[in-house]
Amino acid sequence: DTGVSQDPRHKITKRGQNVTFRCDPISEHNRLYWYRQTLGQGPEFLTYFQNEAQLEKSRLLSDRFSAERPKGSFSTLEIQRTEQGDSAMYLCASSSRGSNQPQHFGDGTRLSIL
Amino acid sequence: QKEVEQNSGPLSVPEGAIASLNCTYSDRGSQSFFWYRQYSGKSPELIMSIYSNGDKEDGRFTAQLNKASQYVSLLIRDSQPSDSATYLCAVSLSSGSARQLTFGSGTQLTVLP
Repeated sequence: DTGVSQDPRHKITKRGQNVTFRCDPISEHNRLYWYRQTLGQGPEFLTYFQNEAQLEKSRLLSDRFSAERPKGSFSTLEIQRTEQGDSAMYLCASSSRGSNQPQHFGDGTRLSIL
Repeated sequence: QKEVEQNSGPLSVPEGAIASLNCTYSDRGSQSFFWYRQYSGKSPELIMSIYSNGDKEDGRFTAQLNKASQYVSLLIRDSQPSDSATYLCAVSLSSGSARQLTFGSGTQLTVLP
C-alpha cells in the first residue's frame, strides 16, 4: 500500500505532556498538509509544506504546535504542554505538484488528553 | 457566515434511490471543489473533484458545480447501504492559500435497506 501513512494511530496522554506524530506521504507527492478534526466537524487546516519548506500556517496553530519536514519526505507534528482542547483526530494529507491537485488523506492519529 | 456550508442532516434515503447532497461556499473566486466520503472513525476518502461549471460523472456519482450561484452538489444514484457515511464538501478558496482546503461540517447520509 503506497498511501499516506500516519503513526501512531492512537495516542493517549496526560495533560501537560508533549506528543509527536509522524506522517509519511505518498512517495511522489511533494506537498504535505496537516489538518485537525473534532467530532461532528470537517477537518480544519493547520499547516502546509512544499518539499521541506513550511509555506502556510493557520491561526489555529498556536506556539505549542510545531511541524517539520526536514528532508522533504516525512513530516512530524509536535504538540507541547498538551491541553484538553487538543483532543482531536490529526490528519495528514499529501498531493502532487501542479495546480488543483486533490489531497489524499492518511488514516489519522487520534489524540486523547486525560 | 461559514465559508463552506452543508446541511448536517441526517439524510436518509431508501436503497436504490438518488441521494442529493448540497454545499454552498462564500468565496466567489474559489477554483477547486472536492467531495470526500468519511466512514465513522475513518479518514476522508476522495470521491470526486470538479473545477468547471456543469456536471461531472464518475460511476454512480455526479458532481454539479454552479460558480455563479456558488453552489456545488453531489448526486449518488442507485444508493447502497455501503454509501452510508458522512460526505464532506471541500473548497480551495482564493482568499487563502491556494493549497489549503476549507471543509464544510459534512452531511451524514444513511441508506436504508
